[in-house]
Amino acid sequence: GQQVMQIPQYQHVQEGEDFTTYCNSSTTLSNIQWYKQRPGGHPVFLIQLVKSGEVKKQKRLTFQFGEAKKNSSLHITATQTTDVGTYFCAGRNDYKLSFGAGTTVTVRA
Amino acid sequence: EAQVTQNPRYLITVTGKKLTVTCSQNMNHEYMSWYRQDPGLGLRQIYYSMNVEVTDKGDVPEGYKVSRKEKRNFPLILESPSPNQTSLYFCASSLRGVSYNEQFFGPGTRLTVL
Repeated sequence: GQQVMQIPQYQHVQEGEDFTTYCNSSTTLSNIQWYKQRPGGHPVFLIQLVKSGEVKKQKRLTFQFGEAKKNSSLHITATQTTDVGTYFCAGRNDYKLSFGAGTTVTVRA
Repeated sequence: EAQVTQNPRYLITVTGKKLTVTCSQNMNHEYMSWYRQDPGLGLRQIYYSMNVEVTDKGDVPEGYKVSRKEKRNFPLILESPSPNQTSLYFCASSLRGVSYNEQFFGPGTRLTVL
């Protein structure tokens, strides 16, 4: 079945530095969504990518969808303490949406 | 306020004692879904519903039941809970299927089965 792998599982970042989290699927995806879950909270939708090679930005966050539509990345620049949380990608194939295991981000001030 | 609500938020129960976790949304969404979240495994879909009276299994449906008699409600039923169902459960809804719409998640229900 469809699997969505996310790396790294944990990311410890110095405040002000950049980092990237990656999402890889075993199958071609129709689209991919990204969610953020703050500690103790629930997942909150960030963005959806649909087109091959698509790049979208939200302030310091840059989202990319691979040309083959089998991978995606989230790059955060100048990390802030407000970026703490777990970032999930969720890939859709047919009618199923499969979530990655998430990247949990901690920030050192 | 547009939202997804779940009750209870916390529940400790014993093996075999039937329980229901309620989920309600006030956004007139057609699609609703249940997930469980376990450390290192992310969110795994239990059941989903495309609309009233239409439900289907997700990736981990064993030990769970659902019903969708009304558009706004999608309860999760554990007929005979077991310790391996100890988890954090999220209900989610979206306007239509997950294809093109963001999902709105409820606050979560932390279930412990002793």
